[in-house]
Amino acid sequence: GEDVEQSLFLSVREGDSSVINCTYTDSSSTYLYWYKQEPGAGLQLLTYIFSNMDMKQDQRLTVLLNKKDKHLSLRIADTQTGDSAIYFCAETSLGSSASKIIFGSGTRLSIRP
Amino acid sequence: NAGVTQTPKFRVLKTGQSMTLLCAQDMNHEYMYWYRQDPGMGLRLIHYSVGEGTTAKGEVPDGYNVSRLKKQNFLLGLESAAPSQTSVYFCASRTGMNTEAFFGQGTRLTVV
Repeated sequence: GEDVEQSLFLSVREGDSSVINCTYTDSSSTYLYWYKQEPGAGLQLLTYIFSNMDMKQDQRLTVLLNKKDKHLSLRIADTQTGDSAIYFCAETSLGSSASKIIFGSGTRLSIRP
Repeated sequence: NAGVTQTPKFRVLKTGQSMTLLCAQDMNHEYMYWYRQDPGMGLRLIHYSVGEGTTAKGEVPDGYNVSRLKKQNFLLGLESAAPSQTSVYFCASRTGMNTEAFFGQGTRLTVV
């Protein structure tokens, strides 16, 4: 079945770049998403990338996709205290499970002063 | 802009009690989902629906039932609550495949 994996924690210094990594197993993945969850809140879509793209940039966010290695990363430039949150990688794919969205475990990003 | 609304926000149940969680969306979305969130385990899919009158099992359906009698509502039922069902439950909806999912604010359920 589909599986999405992330490391659980990341700590970076304010102003540095944060890189959150994700690996997935389903080679038929079509869309890959990054969601952000702030404390006590639901998830909000940050950005997404279609499987035929290698990179997508949106202001401070850069998503890189390596389809061969099934590896997705989210880079946040100039990390600020407001970026403290849990970041979830998610994917949807073709085939019988196309209706589902499969999430990783989430990476908790903490910012050091 | 209501979006996705979950009711209730908090609940404490005794083991063996039953309850229903309500998810309502006002965006005319076809697809709706129920997830549970546990520390270190991310979001796990319980049940989902691809349209009014349809439901399907996700990764962790045991102990839960769902109904989608109206397009805008997706109900999650616990017939006999167990402490293992202590979790934060999230509802989500989206227009269709490969579109953004919108999430509710969550329901924190504690079973004692």
